[in-house]
Amino acid sequence: KAGVTQTPRYLIKTRGQQVTLSCSPISGHRSVSWYQQTPGQGLQFLFEYFSETQRNKGNFPGRFSGRQFSNSRSEMNVSTLELGDSAFYLCASSLAGQGYGNTIYFGEGSWLTVV
Amino acid sequence: QKEVEQNSGPLSVPEGAIASLNCTYSDRGSQSFFWYRQYSGKSPELIMSIYSNGDKEDGRFTAQLNKASQYVSLLIRDSQPSDSATYLCAVNKRDGGSQGNLIFGKGTKLSVKP
Repeated sequence: KAGVTQTPRYLIKTRGQQVTLSCSPISGHRSVSWYQQTPGQGLQFLFEYFSETQRNKGNFPGRFSGRQFSNSRSEMNVSTLELGDSAFYLCASSLAGQGYGNTIYFGEGSWLTVV
Repeated sequence: QKEVEQNSGPLSVPEGAIASLNCTYSDRGSQSFFWYRQYSGKSPELIMSIYSNGDKEDGRFTAQLNKASQYVSLLIRDSQPSDSATYLCAVNKRDGGSQGNLIFGKGTKLSVKP
């Protein structure tokens, strides 16, 4: 059974640009969550999508957005990139979400560097 | 008070010893607790999940949960150099009527010396 697939794995962008990251969850999983990891802040929750609807959102500015498609694949977009957006972005999938009894599994992550 | 707190370490133990990793959380209503292991430059991988008070054992790993004290721990017996990694504690935080989301501690870095 294939795991969570994230693309691209590494990318470098310039301040002011935008970036789109893609995530394909484990087959059969309907929930996709996104996390940002930095050395200073650790792993922080961005948002969760379930059945194409954003079900939960972390405390990030509106420049961070996402969507989920009917096949459960998800994309995350960051507009007007800032240097502080340089981070390791992780996608996680689960059968039904992050509630009781559910487990999330992470993809390999995408390393974003903003210069 | 931070929602999920862990000692950042580094925690250094000799090979073959027991490593004890601790985590406290603030949401008394939390019901799901997880330990993830993260090697440098890699994504987190699930080690253990625990939902009820008490101990849960899986191989060399034992998770312990005490909801009254809002405390969860991970014991690693017979520690190996390959166990050297950062261990992340994650706790489900309820959010109104939603399922909530996982809140992660900043992790404890474990170093197992040969």
